[in-house]
Amino acid sequence: GENVEQHPSTLSVQEGDSAVIKCTYSDSASNYFPWYKQELGKRPQLIIDIRSNVGEKKDQRIAVTLNKTAKHFSLHITETQPEDSAVYFCAASRGGSNYKLTFGKGTLLTVNP
Amino acid sequence: NAGVTQTPKFQVLKTGQSMTLQCAQDMNHEYMSWYRQDPGMGLRLIHYSVGAGITDQGEVPNGYNVSRSTTEDFPLRLLSAAPSQTSVYFCASRHPGNEAFFGQGTRLTVV
Repeated sequence: GENVEQHPSTLSVQEGDSAVIKCTYSDSASNYFPWYKQELGKRPQLIIDIRSNVGEKKDQRIAVTLNKTAKHFSLHITETQPEDSAVYFCAASRGGSNYKLTFGKGTLLTVNP
Repeated sequence: NAGVTQTPKFQVLKTGQSMTLQCAQDMNHEYMSWYRQDPGMGLRLIHYSVGAGITDQGEVPNGYNVSRSTTEDFPLRLLSAAPSQTSVYFCASRHPGNEAFFGQGTRLTVV
């Protein structure tokens, strides 16, 4: 089955700096790669996703890049703010009838004011 | 449109007790799943269902049962609670190839 590795497990940055979180996956048939943000005591919520026919996607201060050949994808947050502090999870999934989402272990991002 | 509704939010059980965590979604999603979240372990898949009447095991199924009698509901049963099942549980639903929507979570403590 799919295996998703996520690094780093913790990341501390100064407000205004950029943050990068990286994930690798093992199943070359995976074609959907979402990123979730989980604030303390809350449920995970989707912040951005990318499909295998796209190499990069941006949404304001957040971007995701995908390298299918190397089987890795990354989350980039620019101009970080204290409210970006949370746990971030990457995930991977095949399409078609295989619905399972496999998650990385998460990255605790702390943005220091 | 409530999304995914999960109850209860908190629960304390004694070792050996049984209980059912409820999950319901109103988005007509085919796929529903249960995860447990433990510190440093991410979200691990317990059981999942691709439609009414169809369930399958995930990564950590032991000690848990599920059923899917309707598209909307996917309850998780703990048969005989153990301290190792102390965790935060999330139910999620999705259409294939699209984002998963999570319930609010259940914080379960087994003493």
